[in-house]
Amino acid sequence: DGGITQSPKYLFRKEGQNVTLSCEQNLNHDAMYWYRQDPGQGLRLIYYSQIVNDFQKGDIAEGYSVSREKKESFPLTVTSAQKNPTAFYLCASSIVGTSGNYEQYFGPGTRLTVT
Amino acid sequence: GQQVMQIPQYQHVQEGEDFTTYCNSSTTLSNIQWYKQRPGGHPVFLIQLVKSGEVKKQKRLTFQFGEAKKNSSLHITATQTTDVGTYFCAGLQAGTALIFGKGTTLSVSS
Repeated sequence: DGGITQSPKYLFRKEGQNVTLSCEQNLNHDAMYWYRQDPGQGLRLIYYSQIVNDFQKGDIAEGYSVSREKKESFPLTVTSAQKNPTAFYLCASSIVGTSGNYEQYFGPGTRLTVT
Repeated sequence: GQQVMQIPQYQHVQEGEDFTTYCNSSTTLSNIQWYKQRPGGHPVFLIQLVKSGEVKKQKRLTFQFGEAKKNSSLHITATQTTDVGTYFCAGLQAGTALIFGKGTTLSVSS
């Protein structure tokens, strides 16, 4: 059963703690993405990676970090420097073609609550 | 910076009425994609438009890409309760990642 998995579905943390969200895909996609979704804000890009061991900042990268050591995995760390970390986090992947990136496949998301 | 604006933010219709959401970019796009997110779910890809003036249909859904490749629309004919959700457009400019609009949330009453 191919797809993207994110775990856990719900995550609770105390303020000041770093937390890592997992994202795994078995679609053999080169590109992976992390988005943050807040009510009324749509999807905002945090980081993306088009190849192993390389990634780029998106629009709201401050307070977040990522790694891409394997093609299948793109974990996101929400650091204590992120001022407002409570949100719904979505991971996605896509193939990369000569005319740009193709449709993105999204995972089920992780809802992070920091108190 | 690059922006993709989407209107309206919310739309409520009676079942059977039509619905349209509009997407406008500040820059020319290589392509535009549309996604649907059901309540409590994750975005699911609907379609991609690439050519200037392109029109594509999926049953009751009609997607258009403007001649200047800066705007797009999604029109649903005779809405059903299964159409509820948030519809996002996402534009791709050459050499960048997809930029999502803020979405239009559709509610349908029977």
